Amino acid sequence: DIQMTQSPSTLSASVGERLTITCRASQSISKWLAWYQQKAGNAPKLLIYDASSLQSGVPSRFSGSGSGTEFTLTISSLQPDDFATYYCQQYNDYSWTFGQGTKVEIK
Amino acid sequence: QVQLVESGGGVVQPGMSLRLSCAASGFTFNSYGIHWVRQAPGKGLEWVAVISYDGSRKKFADSVEGRFTISRDNSKNTLYLQMNSLRPEDTAVYFCARDAGLYQLPPNWYFDLWGRGTLVTVSS
Repeated sequence: DIQMTQSPSTLSASVGERLTITCRASQSISKWLAWYQQKAGNAPKLLIYDASSLQSGVPSRFSGSGSGTEFTLTISSLQPDDFATYYCQQYNDYSWTFGQGTKVEIK
Repeated sequence: QVQLVESGGGVVQPGMSLRLSCAASGFTFNSYGIHWVRQAPGKGLEWVAVISYDGSRKKFADSVEGRFTISRDNSKNTLYLQMNSLRPEDTAVYFCARDAGLYQLPPNWYFDLWGRGTLVTVSS
């Protein structure tokens, strides 16, 4: 099974800051990686797919990069609405695994 | 409105059964694979099961294999998760989520539409 490891687990940041979250796969998954945002009590929301493609309607301050085993989600300028938990997910070869999540808190 | 709505959650005792439903609307349900994903209280997301658009392909997480079954009724635009031999560790919010691939066999993509979830509590 493919394991996904996110870092950090928790991140404290201020509005306007640039933020980067890292996700590592236990084996190569090419570009088959998605990022989701989840706010407390709500369903996850798709932000990025295929490692770097922005889902329709998602603000352009979100971006994704990487391939193989190393991936990053970047928020260029953190907004109040962005404080949430972020999950990476691999979807390679008829399997799906989520990272453990990164909680973004207000500093 | 494009949406998925889960129902059927509740409190059950260990060893009992429960069936969850996921009603789809606003899109061609019979064109998409659908997944179940769960989230234990205060924990992360765990993929549970998937069924292809036509019901011919199914896959389960090791943690539920042999206890859970997945099915769909395309005439009713509804997905089901039959959960048997429930354990306390099955306690979670269960989400259904649409696989982004159209007419994919097997389903193999990210999840572009999610329901709001239904809570299952397994406790004596």
